[in-house]
Amino acid sequence: GIQVEQSPPDLILQEGANSTLRCNFSDSVNNLQWFHQNPWGQLINLFYIPSGTKQNGRLSATTVATERYSLLYISSSQTTDSGVYFCAVERMDSSYKLIFGSGTRLLVRP
Amino acid sequence: GAGVSQSPRYKVAKRGQDVALRCDPISGHVSLFWYQQALGQGPEFLTYFQNEAQLDKSGLPSDRFFAERPEGSVSTLKIQRTQQEDSAVYLCASRPGGSYNEQFFGPGTRLTVL
Repeated sequence: GIQVEQSPPDLILQEGANSTLRCNFSDSVNNLQWFHQNPWGQLINLFYIPSGTKQNGRLSATTVATERYSLLYISSSQTTDSGVYFCAVERMDSSYKLIFGSGTRLLVRP
Repeated sequence: GAGVSQSPRYKVAKRGQDVALRCDPISGHVSLFWYQQALGQGPEFLTYFQNEAQLDKSGLPSDRFFAERPEGSVSTLKIQRTQQEDSAVYLCASRPGGSYNEQFFGPGTRLTVL
């Protein structure tokens, strides 16, 4: 099956710093989503980005489908950005289910 | 509008008990998914419905797990004779259908089996 690898696994930042999270996937995909799982366990949709670049406030994401990777950029980090960031992909064979990476655990210190 | 809702939010069961977890998808969403998330890991697919039809149940870990969506809206995930290894967060997601594939998740039900 498709492999989804996220890096780094853990990241500690000082408030105000910038960071880049990476997601590599091993096969062609129909769909790629980035999520933030907050400390209460809720998965919050950040980006639906099977290809191209999108921006939403301090966050932006880029997916290069032909090279099978996606990047999530966090600028001017805040303590509320803490949590786990997941990348999830849907295979090109339209199996519909999302395959998740193991996540990047981010801690932003004040 | 309202998002995906799940109930109960927390469930404690004694080993061997049956449990039922409910998911209310976003109104009008055709597709519904159940995922299981163990502590410290990413969610893993359990089963998928398109309207009332269960099209994929390849992720259900055993025949003790059963899901239904009889009217194509609300779904119930039932676990019979719960075991300690069933302890996890159970997440429900829905998506509109058609060519737009974004999935939206509920808050989850945290199941603890003692």
